[in-house]
Amino acid sequence: AQTVTQSQPEMSVQEAETVTLSCTYDTSESDYYLFWYKQPPSRQMILVIRQEAYKQQNATENRFSVNFQKAAKSFSLKISDSQLGDAAMYFCAYRSVMDSNYQLIWGAGTKLIIKP
Amino acid sequence: DTEVTQTPKHLVMGMTNKKSLKCEQHMGHRAMYWYKQKAKKPPELMFVYSYEKLSINESVPSRFSPECPNSSLLNLHLHALQPEDSALYLCASSPTSKKRNEQFFGPGTRLTVL
Repeated sequence: AQTVTQSQPEMSVQEAETVTLSCTYDTSESDYYLFWYKQPPSRQMILVIRQEAYKQQNATENRFSVNFQKAAKSFSLKISDSQLGDAAMYFCAYRSVMDSNYQLIWGAGTKLIIKP
Repeated sequence: DTEVTQTPKHLVMGMTNKKSLKCEQHMGHRAMYWYKQKAKKPPELMFVYSYEKLSINESVPSRFSPECPNSSLLNLHLHALQPEDSALYLCASSPTSKKRNEQFFGPGTRLTVL
């Protein structure tokens, strides 16, 4: 069975600086998808970024980028130029290509605090 | 329309009440999900509907009863709940293709059981 581990329960960063959130996963599959979701205190879960395992290029969405290391089973999220609105719980999630029920396997989450 | 809507936003109910949560999406997604989420925890999957058929029921107590009347709507009927059922209930939908499969979430219903 696949597992997702986020080892940092809480991180803090000064506004305008860069922070990296870590995520590791365990799987025997070669094809899968990885996601980072953000959930602000207002509670709506929002997709931040998505990575397909067969793509070597790291995904990027504006200030958000990932460092995808397939062999190491690592999928970290880098947030550049941190803003107050980035404060949220961040969840890493895994989805098997083979799962016809489209289930997500979730990490425990990292609470990101932005210091003004 | 790229959003999932949920009603009500807040719900307070007694243990003997019957209530329903509603979820709607108009993105043409054929997979829809109910999750339960406790504070600062990841969502826990409860039910998955795929093409309007229940495909996953994660050993959820029978006091939760899902319904998918059509491809845009998902309901969760609640009856005789317990205080430990108090949580944020999230609805999500996703495409069913291999290329596009990310889940889109609604804002949730904050449920309090007295």
